[in-house]
Amino acid sequence: AQSVTQLDSQVPVFEEAPVELRCNYSSSVSVYLFWYVQYPNQGLQLLLKYLSGSTLVKGINGFEAEFNKSQTSFHLRKPSVHISDTAEYFCAVSDNAGGTSYGKLTFGQGTILTVHP
Amino acid sequence: GAGVSQSPSNKVTEKGKDVELRCDPISGHTALYWYRQSLGQGLEFLIYFQGNSAPDKSGLPSDRFSAERTGGSVSTLTIQRTQQEDSAVYLCASSYDRLMTAEKYFGPGTRLTVT
Repeated sequence: AQSVTQLDSQVPVFEEAPVELRCNYSSSVSVYLFWYVQYPNQGLQLLLKYLSGSTLVKGINGFEAEFNKSQTSFHLRKPSVHISDTAEYFCAVSDNAGGTSYGKLTFGQGTILTVHP
Repeated sequence: GAGVSQSPSNKVTEKGKDVELRCDPISGHTALYWYRQSLGQGLEFLIYFQGNSAPDKSGLPSDRFSAERTGGSVSTLTIQRTQQEDSAVYLCASSYDRLMTAEKYFGPGTRLTVT
């Protein structure tokens, strides 16, 4: 079965600094990878996704992530964060392990990003 | 257009009572998912609907949990004889089809507190 590990539960950073949120996954088959953001008292919003092709994917709000198959990682990065980026971020994987052929997502535990002025 | 909506937004119930949580997916979305978000457990898959049928109920934690979907639209998650460990945020998501690549749209969730 697939699993997703987000290595940092909390990441504090100052405004305009760069940030990297780490995500590692385990799966024995091809995977699709996603990053979601959850603002307080809201549902999850898709930031970006890797389906195939270029390993560097760009998403909304200036975020990008790089798929590294050899390291089974999909780290999220932003070169300069804003106060408004304060939220919880979830990495998720979808694959067809076990015969699953629909979009069931397995999520990491989440990383709380706090941007300080 | 309208997104996924869920009701109620908050529900406080006494241990042992039954609760019903409602999800209204985006119109035309055939796939619908329920997830549970709780402290220490993260986001857990509960059940998947394609149309009105549920091919995967593997995430339902006990037989106190059930769900249905009618008219290929609204879904209701029912928890019978609620326990304190059922306290969590219940999230619903829908997508236009069942493909793994199809984008899922999440509702704001229902926060359930069992006292």
